This record gives sequence, structure tokens and C-alpha cells, in this order.
Amino acid sequence: SQTIHQWPATLVQPVGSPLSLECTVEGTSNPNLYWYRQAAGRGLQLLFYSVGIGQISSEVPQNLSASRPQDRQFILSSKKLLLSDSGFYLCAWSLADEQYFGPGTRLTVT
Amino acid sequence: AQTVTQSQPEMSVQEAETVTLSCTYDTSESNYYLFWYKQPPSRQMILVIRQEAYKQQNATENRFSVNFQKAAKSFSLKISDSQLGDTAMYFCAPLYGGSQGNLIFGKGTKLSVKP
Repeated sequence: SQTIHQWPATLVQPVGSPLSLECTVEGTSNPNLYWYRQAAGRGLQLLFYSVGIGQISSEVPQNLSASRPQDRQFILSSKKLLLSDSGFYLCAWSLADEQYFGPGTRLTVT
Repeated sequence: AQTVTQSQPEMSVQEAETVTLSCTYDTSESNYYLFWYKQPPSRQMILVIRQEAYKQQNATENRFSVNFQKAAKSFSLKISDSQLGDTAMYFCAPLYGGSQGNLIFGKGTKLSVKP
């Protein structure tokens, strides 16, 4: 069966510091991968998605970037965090129309 | 713009009773998918049920069923025999553009099941 992992689970970072969140999927090959952000009390906003290694599409211009160095690895990064980057970050995978989500990372920028 | 409206920010229901959560969406596409996701306090996003727009038959999954009205662009979720574990945020999310498309999430409905 397929599983999706995210780490870290919780992160507190100062403004201006770098960020790296990692997502890995097991038990499948060539999945579509997604990064979402959920602000407090709101729905999910798609940030990036990838249909293959090195292929990244950005939905919202912002202070973040994504990379897919391996088939089942998806990384969300920032060179300098802003206060507005705080939120809950979810990674998801799909092979067809159904998307399955990881446990998420709670990021607090102080 | 493709929008999703969940008009009930919060709802509550007594254990063992039935509750219906509403969702309307706006699209010009004819073929798409519709999903309900559940997000309990753990914040893990869990797929509850899916519906293909080309199917007239409403999807069911154990205690969960949908009322899909394509012409009205309405996709409501009915939870029967509510259980305490159903307490969660529920998100309606259409998917346009096939398997390469992206989910569009509503703002969610916070459901509380009371003993």
C-alpha cells in the first residue's frame, strides 16, 4: 500500500531564515505531487504541483519554491521566511483523480 | 473564476442523527470530479467520498452519501448515524482538468457531533 511522509511535523523559524520541508511517497511510481498551504481557519491553497522529476508548476507567486529531485520526493523551500509564510503545509500525491494527503507540517514564523 | 461555496461555516448534530452539508460550485466544464474531504483535529486530510460528474447515480460510502445535482451545480454530503468520530472540518473540492487538474477547496464546514 502507498504511504506518504512529511517532516518535520512542527517547525518554528525566525523571520529571514531558510526553510526546507520534505515529502516522500512510498509504494507507488511516478505520482503527481502537490504542496498545499492552509492558513488558520481556511481551506487549502495549492502552491505547487509536479507531474515528474524536475517538472514543477507554480500556482501562486510567492516567497516559496519547490523541487522534485527524485520520483517520490518533493521539497518545499524558501531562502528567507516571512511572517506570512506561517501555516499548515500539506503534501499530497495522486496517480489519477484522487489525491491523498500527508500528515502535514505546522510552520510558525516568529 | 472557478469557485466553491460552503454556506454553512459551522454545524452541529446529535450522535446517531443525520446531517447534510451543502456545497455549490461554479464551472463551465462538463466533465469533472467532486470530492468531500474530512479534516479531524489531527489535521490529517482524509478522503471521504468522490463523485464523477458524468455519473447520474449518487455515490455512497457506508454512512456517507452525496446528493449531486449537476444542473444546479450542487454537491451535498449526507452523514447518517453520526458518530463522535465524525467531528471534523469538511471540505468540498471539485477537480477540473482530469488527472492533471487541481483540486479547488471550499472554506469548509466545521461539524460537531454531540453525545
